[in-house]
Amino acid sequence: DQQVKQNSPSLSVQEGRISILNCDYTNSMFDYFLWYKKYPAEGPTFLISISSIKDKNEDGRFTVFLNKSAKHLSLHIVPSQPGDSAVYFCAASRTTSGTYKYIFGTGTRLKVLA
Amino acid sequence: GAGVSQSPRYKVTKRGQDVTLRCDPISSHATLYWYQQALGQGPEFLTYFNYEAQPDKSGLPSDRFSAERPEGSISTLTIQRTEQRDSAMYSCASSPTSGVAYNEQFFGPGTRLTVL
Repeated sequence: DQQVKQNSPSLSVQEGRISILNCDYTNSMFDYFLWYKKYPAEGPTFLISISSIKDKNEDGRFTVFLNKSAKHLSLHIVPSQPGDSAVYFCAASRTTSGTYKYIFGTGTRLKVLA
Repeated sequence: GAGVSQSPRYKVTKRGQDVTLRCDPISSHATLYWYQQALGQGPEFLTYFNYEAQPDKSGLPSDRFSAERPEGSISTLTIQRTEQRDSAMYSCASSPTSGVAYNEQFFGPGTRLTVL
């Protein structure tokens, strides 16, 4: 049972345009969400997070939107750059559990075309 | 070191052999996580440590898998009698106990295990 789903395995976007990566979750107890970026041969690196008390968090070119009623979050990258080409994982956790155990999605491979 | 390190980076072993993977977390971090990532999947939680305590082993696939963190710093993940289905990337992450980055886990580069 996949509690965190990224239904698009891959996405190609032209440089300078917006990239939108989507993530859906099924467990309404999740209250903290994160996006990680992974380059080949490296571990995932933290990109941006959002708590369930917010519906938007912005950091430079990266914005995460959370729609709790739809159990959906999205990552917007504007403008997209070739260096953004990587695999993006969304992750969810239940902070009240105390463990901050992350449940990851399967990832979306973003390719930004120059 | 500045980040989380793992060794070896690659391990090839024969079915039935035991393997031990090592994780060296960021020195100030109290919490350490182990994940397994199959090809085309996201990382899946195996277990975590809070210092040397291991409160959650729920993700360990079988009793062939065990992890230790005896002094609350370096951790090892041991897989006994390896099977081909154990082939995966094994990632370690560490997290501080408090502060701005409380919920952020810092990942190491992973160990790619191949069981022949």
